[in-house]
Parts: sequence; C-alpha cells; structure tokens
Amino acid sequence: NAGVMQNPRHLVRRRGQEARLRCSPMKGHSHVYWYRQLPEEGLKFMVYLQKENIIDESGMPKERFSAEFPKEGPSILRIQQVVRGDSAAYFCASSPPSVDEQYFGPGTRLTVT
Amino acid sequence: QKEVEQDPGPLSVPEGAIVSLNCTYSNSAFQYFMWYRQYSRKGPELLMYTYSSGNKEDGRFTAQVDKSSKYISLFIRDSQPSDSATYLCAINSGSNYQLIWGAGTKLIIKP
Repeated sequence: NAGVMQNPRHLVRRRGQEARLRCSPMKGHSHVYWYRQLPEEGLKFMVYLQKENIIDESGMPKERFSAEFPKEGPSILRIQQVVRGDSAAYFCASSPPSVDEQYFGPGTRLTVT
Repeated sequence: QKEVEQDPGPLSVPEGAIVSLNCTYSNSAFQYFMWYRQYSRKGPELLMYTYSSGNKEDGRFTAQVDKSSKYISLFIRDSQPSDSATYLCAINSGSNYQLIWGAGTKLIIKP
C-alpha cells in the first residue's frame, strides 16, 4: 500500500512565478491536509480538504494561495506570484474519514530565488 | 499560553540511555494524543497514538498520558543513533479534525 505521495520533491521558482504542489493521498483516504514548515519550526496548518470540498482554509494566506482536491486526481496547492518568504517545506497528510491519525508525505521543498 | 508546549531541545543523550520526551497542554477537552518522528528533510512519521490515560507500549517506545496533569510523554528504551530525529507531539480535541502541534524536540543519540 503506497503511502502519501508528493511531487515534485524539490521546486525552484523565481519571484513572481507560480508554484504547483501535488499530493496523492493514501489509498482509501478521502481527507487531505496541507502544512507548511519553516526551518527549525513546527508544522503550521494551512488547509483541510475532502473530495471537491474545502473544509477549512483558515491557515492559508488569503492572497496568492489556493488549494483543490478534485474528484479525480491529486490535491493541488497553488501559490501564485511567489515571494522569497514562501520558501519552505510543504507537507501533505491524509486520513480516512472519521479517523484522527494523519499520515504524511515526504514534502515538497520550495525555494524562491 | 500556547495550547501545546514542547521543549525544542536539543536533547543529547548517550546510546543505550532511556529518553523521555514531553508535552504539556492547556485544554482538558483534548482527547487524542499522537507522537510523530521527523528525520531531517523528511515528512513526519506517526509513531504512537493514544486515547486514554495510561501507558501504551510498542517495542522500545512507550507513550504515556496523564490527563489529570495535562501531560504526555514518549519514552524510548535502549536508544540508538538511528533514533536521532525531531519528535513532535500532536493533540486532537476529538470534536474536530484539527491537530494542535508541539514545536518538536530535537533528539540526538551519541554513539
């Protein structure tokens, strides 16, 4: 049973470009969570999605950031017009319905130059 | 006061020692307690998940919850250099999906 998959693992973007981060949850998991982690800091919740629904995006900046989890395909975290402060590791986690444990992917490390 | 407090360390111990990692929390409504291990530049890995007060053991790892003191611990017996990682506690109230995360404790096991 494959775990949570994220790609790309490393992404370099120039300021002003767009970044697209993909997450495929574990088989049977319909809930996806996105987190951001800065060096030497803990995980910061960004958004919680179920298939075709954003349940909670309270941790996501109001501008430039968006997320989706379509009926088919991976969840996408999209950052438009990236700035240097967006450089971080972005982790996706998934869980089955009504289960508290979240299983994490390996992360995407975004570097904005 | 943060909802979950965790000493960031680093905590450095010799190989073979018993390690104690701890978190305190402020909300007595919290019900579910998890410990994750994160190696450098990797995603967090779920280690232990507990619901009630008391101990839960899995190999060299023991998770302990004391709800009366709002204190959770992770013990590692016979520690090994491969245990060197950051250990994060995560807590859920049970009424919604959001996990409240500790900042993580960096553990270093010296050979």
